[in-house]
Amino acid sequence: KQEVTQIPAALSVPEGENLVLNCSFTDSAIYNLQWFRQDPGKGLTSLLLIQSSQREQTSGRLNASLDKSSGRSTLYIAASQPGDSATYLCAVRPDTDKLIFGTGTRLQVFP
Amino acid sequence: ETGVTQTPRHLVMGMTNKKSLKCEQHLGHNAMYWYKQSAKKPLELMFVYSLEERVENNSVPSRFSPECPNSSHLFLHLHTLQPEDSALYLCASSQAGTGLGKLFFGSGTQLSVL
Repeated sequence: KQEVTQIPAALSVPEGENLVLNCSFTDSAIYNLQWFRQDPGKGLTSLLLIQSSQREQTSGRLNASLDKSSGRSTLYIAASQPGDSATYLCAVRPDTDKLIFGTGTRLQVFP
Repeated sequence: ETGVTQTPRHLVMGMTNKKSLKCEQHLGHNAMYWYKQSAKKPLELMFVYSLEERVENNSVPSRFSPECPNSSHLFLHLHTLQPEDSALYLCASSQAGTGLGKLFFGSGTQLSVL
């Protein structure tokens, strides 16, 4: 059974720091991995999607990497800002119609 | 503005009530999902509809009844709920069949069962 774990569960940093959020999964047989952002009481916004054949994806200050063989992904946030404060979720797609989510990392960036 | 719209945004209901959650997607997708998000737990997949057929029912109690009349609309009918069913209910859509597409989520319905 696929399980997704995110570390740390919560993180509080001053503005300007570079951050690394970690995601690990138990079964390497996945189609892709997706990182989401969720603001309190809101839905999820897709940030980056990495296909199983890819190693990384970049969007602005965000960079996500995937090491499928070791069951790991990292989300790198450069030069963090207070507006980055949110919960970050990773999810793996083990088959075509399903996503399995981690419990998320709650990030707070203070001025 | 999200391409997936959920109504209502908030819902308070008693255990004997019957209510429905609505989801509409404007992205041309052919797969739709219901997820449940409870405090301190991962998102739980409830139902998946692909090409308007239910392809996944993740051991959800019968007090939750989904309906997908067409590829753009998805409903979740609720009856005789329990307080532990209070959660954020999220709808999502994607392009089915390829296994490669992103999921796009609505803003959710925050449900409180009294």
